[in-house]
Amino acid sequence: GAVVSQHPSWVICKSGTSVKIECRSLDFQATTMFWYRQFPKQSLMLMATSNEGSKATYEQGVEKDKFLINHASLTLSTLTVTSAHPEDSSFYICSARRTGPGEKLFFGSGTQLSVL
Amino acid sequence: AQKVTQAQTEISVVEKEDVTLDCVYETRDTTYYLFWYKQPPSGELVFLIRRNSFDEQNEISGRYSWNFQKSTSSFNFTITASQVVDSAVYFCALSGDSNYQLIWGAGTKLIIKP
Repeated sequence: GAVVSQHPSWVICKSGTSVKIECRSLDFQATTMFWYRQFPKQSLMLMATSNEGSKATYEQGVEKDKFLINHASLTLSTLTVTSAHPEDSSFYICSARRTGPGEKLFFGSGTQLSVL
Repeated sequence: AQKVTQAQTEISVVEKEDVTLDCVYETRDTTYYLFWYKQPPSGELVFLIRRNSFDEQNEISGRYSWNFQKSTSSFNFTITASQVVDSAVYFCALSGDSNYQLIWGAGTKLIIKP
């Protein structure tokens, strides 16, 4: 089956530094990818929709200058948390949409970000 | 507005019992899609099912079954003969069309005790 690879699985960084999270669709091309944030014991919150070759669409309340999204190819989207602060600590999950027959959404394994 | 309600925050049953997870949705769209995902402790989301609004036929996949009733705006999920490996958080989700911008329920934590 289709696989979405998300890297890294976990990262610890110092406050003020930037962290990049990668989301790759391994065996299909994804024109659309999604980035979510999940707080402990809570549901997923859609942060933004990443479209290949164009600017990401951010959900209300999500700072686009804080969470930079780049979807430069049909198999890769990146989320960069800039100038991270402890309140950015969270579980970030990406998903990639496979279109065509059997259209489906595949999820990465998530990235646990801890900002010290 | 679209909304998904999973009223059961946590369910705990003994292995081999049957368990039903409830999902109630709200939407004004005539075409919509409903989903169930499983999130085990590892965090990775596992797709279970996608159902469009025009297909009310119930579905069975092994020990899993889904009951879609438009009349009550519900899409309930039943696990038969539960197993410890079924322990996870289960999310119900809704999208207004096929763009996959999902509206998520709060999730139900299912604990299966041996």
